[in-house]
Amino acid sequence: KAGVTQTPRYLIKTRGQQVTLSCSPISGHRSVSWYQQTPGQGLQFLFEYFSETQRNKGNFPGRFSGRQFSNSRSEMNVSTLELGDSALYLCASSSLPNAEAFFGQGTRLTVV
Amino acid sequence: AQSVTQLDSQVPVFEEAPVELRCNYSSSVSVYLFWYVQYPNQGLQLLLKYLSGSTLVKGINGFEAEFNKSQTSFHLRKPSVHISDTAEYFCAVSRSNDYKLSFGAGTTVTVRA
Repeated sequence: KAGVTQTPRYLIKTRGQQVTLSCSPISGHRSVSWYQQTPGQGLQFLFEYFSETQRNKGNFPGRFSGRQFSNSRSEMNVSTLELGDSALYLCASSSLPNAEAFFGQGTRLTVV
Repeated sequence: AQSVTQLDSQVPVFEEAPVELRCNYSSSVSVYLFWYVQYPNQGLQLLLKYLSGSTLVKGINGFEAEFNKSQTSFHLRKPSVHISDTAEYFCAVSRSNDYKLSFGAGTTVTVRA
């Protein structure tokens, strides 16, 4: 079956702009989580959605937001981009808690 | 809250030699433990996980890990590495009935011929 798909793979944005990243989970998976990966901070949890509800949120400013649609596809949005938002953004989907999380290849965001 | 410490940031190793990557965790509640691998420009792939039962867990690609509750450790081992094992390895924990993963800082393994 198809894996987790993230689009786009690469993005270059200017400071102050906003960006939307998309994630399509594995069919049947209702949980989608987002992580930010940077060389300095490593892998940090952003938020988790289950059946269109945000159930868990990491320690990120309100500029980071997300949503999940009825087909489990998820988007995350970052407004008023800062240079420090440059990172690899990873999406993961799961079928059950504590089960394997399947990761997409990520979206590489560069803010200039 | 739970946290994960990976004790080695970089591990160079020769091909066909054994490797051990160390992971310690702290948590006030029971946790589940995972090791993930990330190849360059890729997402993360699960190597193995410990949920309960036998403390020695076998995973893919010849990796295994041992859960030690008294030492709060979950070290990853492979008896003989290949060039293709060059990657970054992450130890992670999650609480019961939780989808959120808390990751360690990662260990970069470089296998040399």
